[in-house]
Amino acid sequence: GAVVSQHPSRVICKSGTSVKIECRSLDFQATTMFWYRQFPKQSLMLMATSNEGSKATYEQGVEKDKFLINHASLTLSTLTVTSAHPEDSSFYICSAPGGYGYTFGSGTRLTVV
Amino acid sequence: DAKTTQPNSMESNEEEPVHLPCNHSTISGTDYIHWYRQLPSQGPEYVIHGLTSNVNNRMASLAIAEDRKSSTLILHRATLRDAAVYYCIGATNKLIFGTGTLLAVQP
Repeated sequence: GAVVSQHPSRVICKSGTSVKIECRSLDFQATTMFWYRQFPKQSLMLMATSNEGSKATYEQGVEKDKFLINHASLTLSTLTVTSAHPEDSSFYICSAPGGYGYTFGSGTRLTVV
Repeated sequence: DAKTTQPNSMESNEEEPVHLPCNHSTISGTDYIHWYRQLPSQGPEYVIHGLTSNVNNRMASLAIAEDRKSSTLILHRATLRDAAVYYCIGATNKLIFGTGTLLAVQP
């Protein structure tokens, strides 16, 4: 079946630095990928839709200059959290339409100290 | 995308059937009804989806009301591994998650 690989699974960074999260579709091509964030005991919140070869579409209230998305190939989308601060600490999850429905990555736990 | 309403939590006993309800009264004619589940610290996992007809797969069954304003996810024999948050989503091309139902399974 369809597999989405997300890396790293967890990362700790210092406040003010940037962190890049990768999302790869391993056995299928994804012209679209989705990025979510999830705070403890809350549901997933859609941040943006990543489009291969074009600009990402951000949901209302999500700062596009802070959360940079690049979708340069049909199998790779990246999310860069720029100038990270403790309030950006969260669980970030990507997904892509593939397989029977949408396939999700295993998530990245970001902790900003 | 349709707004969905689910109970916050439900409890079941192991090896018994579980019926998880979902109301989606604002669903449009082109929105599919999707069900995903999520274990702690993991990405969501696909369970089942359908448009109008009832659907069955190896994990579960999906019963869709004739007016499509509600649906029920049926786990035929709950196991401890089925304990998770179950999300019902009405969508065409992107998934917007609601609060879901936390299913507890008692041995």
